[in-house]
Amino acid sequence: DVHLVESGGGLVKPGESLRLSCVASGFTFISYSMNWVRQSPGRGLEWVSSISSGSDNLKYADSVKGRFTISRDNDKNSLFLQMDSLRAEDTAVYYCARRRSDITGWYEFDNWGQGTLVTVSS
Amino acid sequence: EVVMAQSPATLSASPGEGATLSCRASQSVGSKLAWYQQKFGQAPRLLIYGASTRATGIPARFSGSGSGTEFTLTISGLQSEDFAVYYCQQYNRWPLTFGGGTKVEIK
Repeated sequence: DVHLVESGGGLVKPGESLRLSCVASGFTFISYSMNWVRQSPGRGLEWVSSISSGSDNLKYADSVKGRFTISRDNDKNSLFLQMDSLRAEDTAVYYCARRRSDITGWYEFDNWGQGTLVTVSS
Repeated sequence: EVVMAQSPATLSASPGEGATLSCRASQSVGSKLAWYQQKFGQAPRLLIYGASTRATGIPARFSGSGSGTEFTLTISGLQSEDFAVYYCQQYNRWPLTFGGGTKVEIK
């Protein structure tokens, strides 16, 4: 079974930093692109960032570009999201999600973690 | 960016009834559309990709159709476990975008 377990969430003040982690198991991590998707309390889903299997292709939502950095360690089956200059509007549950297939142009998420809550408040 | 609009916001139905959920894209996304189900306190679950292909393990009562800008998720014979929020997502263009969701509630 595929398992994705996020950690690192918490309560921080505006302007502070946080690093999220996601540990994967049950599949060949190095073969999959990975992603972060967030969901604000009571709101819908927002894609945040994506990283290719070899870390050579990174993408970010405009709302986090320049503040968030996605990375991965294939030796440790781990995905990371470094979040700097946090704002109140970054408050959300952050999900780690696996891209279903590396077929060009197909970018749906077939496995998700349970999420980690990030709260940005003074 | 491609804006995804879902309707209705809330759909009330009884177990055993059918449900039809709509998703409209602000520009053509071809067949690059997925549907997800999210139950309270849980992560989303992939139901449909490529507009009409059921994901692994998804029951046949879930079906997707459409292309371009108009898409439909049909649930034939609602079961108790189907009452949840459903989201569509386009992946034809970056940034990837989701609709605002349709809540399917028990009438």
